[in-house]
Amino acid sequence: YVLTQPPSVSVAPGQTARITCGGDKIGSKSVHWYQQKPGQAPVLVVYDDRDRPSGIPERFSGSNSGNTATLTVTRVEVGDEADYYCQVWDSSGDRPVFGGGTKVTVL
Amino acid sequence: EVQLLESGGGLVQPGESLRMSCAASGFAFSSFVMSWVRQAPGKGLEWVSSVSPSGISTYYADSVKGRFTISRDTSKNTLYLQMNSLSAEDTAVYYCAKRDPIGHYDLWGQGTLLTVSS
Repeated sequence: YVLTQPPSVSVAPGQTARITCGGDKIGSKSVHWYQQKPGQAPVLVVYDDRDRPSGIPERFSGSNSGNTATLTVTRVEVGDEADYYCQVWDSSGDRPVFGGGTKVTVL
Repeated sequence: EVQLLESGGGLVQPGESLRMSCAASGFAFSSFVMSWVRQAPGKGLEWVSSVSPSGISTYYADSVKGRFTISRDTSKNTLYLQMNSLSAEDTAVYYCAKRDPIGHYDLWGQGTLLTVSS
């Protein structure tokens, strides 16, 4: 199972960033999103399509339908600049699958 | 404190072996699937291996199958990754991660760097 993400997304501070994750019938799977800043471990920001772990701002939200899942970050801040990865569970291979990652640049 | 702490990375030559460890604390280690995920320099996340809560069932990426062995010691709350026949393609930061039953990873270690080079 392959997940496809755009390599990069640029956004101005205060605007909205949308990061897509494409996969065959991904809407039938649970999608999880991670934020990774340089030199740091990944941090879960959205799980099960749209749920947020405690401590993650409401500015981070997720949606999933058809062949595309989307992580939306509203009121983007400089501190949101990071790589973002989507992930699903591939039941056929009994393993997790990660997207290639999207580098979000805050202009 | 809930945390995972990896150790054991370093510089090895091609063909050599290495064992990494991941010490868990602050949660019921024996209740969760644990995994190793790696990240080559400048690249994305790649799942390497997982082990069931009991330690009986193990799973591997095709790229490491037959060379790596995952295991866990619940008495020590520690996860291991034995890596044999290492090559330059194994150079990466290795993270251990706790898997939630839904399928996401809600706790990650800080990572340990493995460099395979002559």
